[in-house]
Amino acid sequence: DAKTTQPPSMDCAEGRAANLPCNHSTISGNEYVYWYRQIHSQGPQYIIHGLKNNETNEMASLIITEDRKSSTLILPHATLRDTAVYYCIVRVVYGQNFVFGPGTRLSVLP
Amino acid sequence: DTAVSQTPKYLVTQMGNDKSIKCEQNLGHDTMYWYKQDSKKFLKIMFSYNNKELIINETVPNRFSPKSPDKAHLNLHINSLELGDSAVYFCASEESGELFFGEGSRLTVL
Repeated sequence: DAKTTQPPSMDCAEGRAANLPCNHSTISGNEYVYWYRQIHSQGPQYIIHGLKNNETNEMASLIITEDRKSSTLILPHATLRDTAVYYCIVRVVYGQNFVFGPGTRLSVLP
Repeated sequence: DTAVSQTPKYLVTQMGNDKSIKCEQNLGHDTMYWYKQDSKKFLKIMFSYNNKELIINETVPNRFSPKSPDKAHLNLHINSLELGDSAVYFCASEESGELFFGEGSRLTVL
């Protein structure tokens, strides 16, 4: 079973920031938070991951709370192409499965 | 060049047949996976291989047999196909905690 909880769906206006929350209250000290997304029926795509510090790359920012029990993925300027299912996963770097939950279906609206 | 490629992309077959899906990655990764995504869109891991050795074998019927002739290839053979095997099958490879997925193979069993 997935160790994360996400809202099933969210809407965001095009050009605005999309903030996708994830709860992982049972996360262990050596587990990372990963975010992936799946656009339509394509293969899932890696977005970002982090351990405890906030992370930013060309796609998104990841904000992890100090107690590490929740995190937020931020897409700073959402476009229609960001419409997808977003998955939040916790996992140690090596050795465990990536367990995908149902994710959050983000709809970016024009 | 496609990093993780699967063939065929679409496969329609009759119940009881045997079929194979091939996967190749040109990323030099040691770890490869097969995932199944059913009609409800849940993405479930089936198998994991590391350097041609089986690491994870989730609760999958014996009719499913992965084969890894070398670390760049992980093929999936399915015997005696059933209606419930209809799904999209994704191959993935992993490097340092980041998964790279193929485009998927949509299997339809009639």
